[in-house]
Amino acid sequence: GENVEQHPSTLSVQEGDSAVIKCTYSDSASNYFPWYKQELGKRPQLIIDIRSNVGEKKDQRIAVTLNKTAKHFSLHITETQPEDSAVYFCAALGVFGPGTSLSVIP
Amino acid sequence: DTGVSQDPRHKITKRGQNVTFRCDPISEHNRLYWYRQTLGQGPEFLTYFQNEAQLEKSRLLSDRFSAERPKGSFSTLEIQRTEQGDSAMYLCASSLVWQGVQGTEAFFGQGTRLTVV
Repeated sequence: GENVEQHPSTLSVQEGDSAVIKCTYSDSASNYFPWYKQELGKRPQLIIDIRSNVGEKKDQRIAVTLNKTAKHFSLHITETQPEDSAVYFCAALGVFGPGTSLSVIP
Repeated sequence: DTGVSQDPRHKITKRGQNVTFRCDPISEHNRLYWYRQTLGQGPEFLTYFQNEAQLEKSRLLSDRFSAERPKGSFSTLEIQRTEQGDSAMYLCASSLVWQGVQGTEAFFGQGTRLTVV
């Protein structure tokens, strides 16, 4: 089955700086790669996703890049804000990574 | 409410008892997932359905766990002979997946928090 890993597990950045979270997966058959954000006490919600036919997708301050050969994809958040503080999960074939706790320091 | 709903929101049970949770997905969604989440961890995949068919079940899932989706609409997750280690948040998610597409956005319910005492 699919195995998904994320790095780092925790990340602290100053407000306004960029944050990058990397996700690796094992199953080369995976072709849909979402990122979810989960705030404390709330359910996970999709923030961006990418399919294997493109290498990059951007939505305002959030972008995702995909390297299918290396089987990894990354979440990029620019101009971070305190409200970006949350746990971020990547997923492949319905399997979620262990999460990255992002703290944005005002 | 047109989102994914789960019932109950909280369940406290004694060790050894059976519990059943219900998930009502978004009505037009054909795929339904069950996950378990403990504090500080990511959602752990348990099983998923495509319409009424259970297509995959985690190898880590004990045979005390069983799930059904009899008419391809709502789903139930039953845990028999509960153990303290079963205490967790049980999340349901649904999505609409069409032929040739591996996945789309999954919408999560608010979860059922199980406490086994």
